[in-house]
Amino acid sequence: ILNVEQSPQSLHVQEGDSTNFTCSFPSSNFYALHWYRWETAKSPEALFVMTLNGDEKKKGRISATLNTKEGYSYLYIKGSQPEDSATYLCAFLEYGNKLVFGAGTILRVKS
Amino acid sequence: DGGITQSPKYLFRKEGQNVTLSCEQNLNHDAMYWYRQDPGQGLRLIYYSQIVNDFQKGDIAEGYSVSREKKESFPLTVTSAQKNPTAFYLCASGETEAFFGQGTRLTVV
Repeated sequence: ILNVEQSPQSLHVQEGDSTNFTCSFPSSNFYALHWYRWETAKSPEALFVMTLNGDEKKKGRISATLNTKEGYSYLYIKGSQPEDSATYLCAFLEYGNKLVFGAGTILRVKS
Repeated sequence: DGGITQSPKYLFRKEGQNVTLSCEQNLNHDAMYWYRQDPGQGLRLIYYSQIVNDFQKGDIAEGYSVSREKKESFPLTVTSAQKNPTAFYLCASGETEAFFGQGTRLTVV
């Protein structure tokens, strides 16, 4: 069984705080690392797809980095807003199209 | 509109019965997936398919079966052998990123 670990399990922050989450994954058989955002009553939606070691991607206040050699990725949110409240999932895609998710980090942003 | 459709949204099953969850996509994706979510847990992979007429077991395949006779369709059957089938089931498709359906909530009564 592929092990994709996310930490922390949950996070409560104040509006305006910056925060970051960690995803660790196997360093072998790597094809891509995905980050998804899952809001209540909606389907998960992709934030980033990263394939190269050292990749850094940014979308507005959210950014992500990737280290495939040591098997980790960070997701950063700058200046958290209440609408950022969601579950953030990372997923490891190995060769052969097996896509395995971590358990997610639940973020709650208080205004 | 292109998308991925799961049906039904809610499903009730009596113990000992098999039940089939539907997943259809018109995104022309080769890869399709079935996940299960239990309260307080993440998405666990049940089965996945890279191409028509081919599928592989995921991490929790016991008590489930699938078929992939058409590119658009990847139905999941929850059999009576699945000991604890009550859960939320999500279907997804895609090669570069996954697109998800709205999910089916299955309850055993």
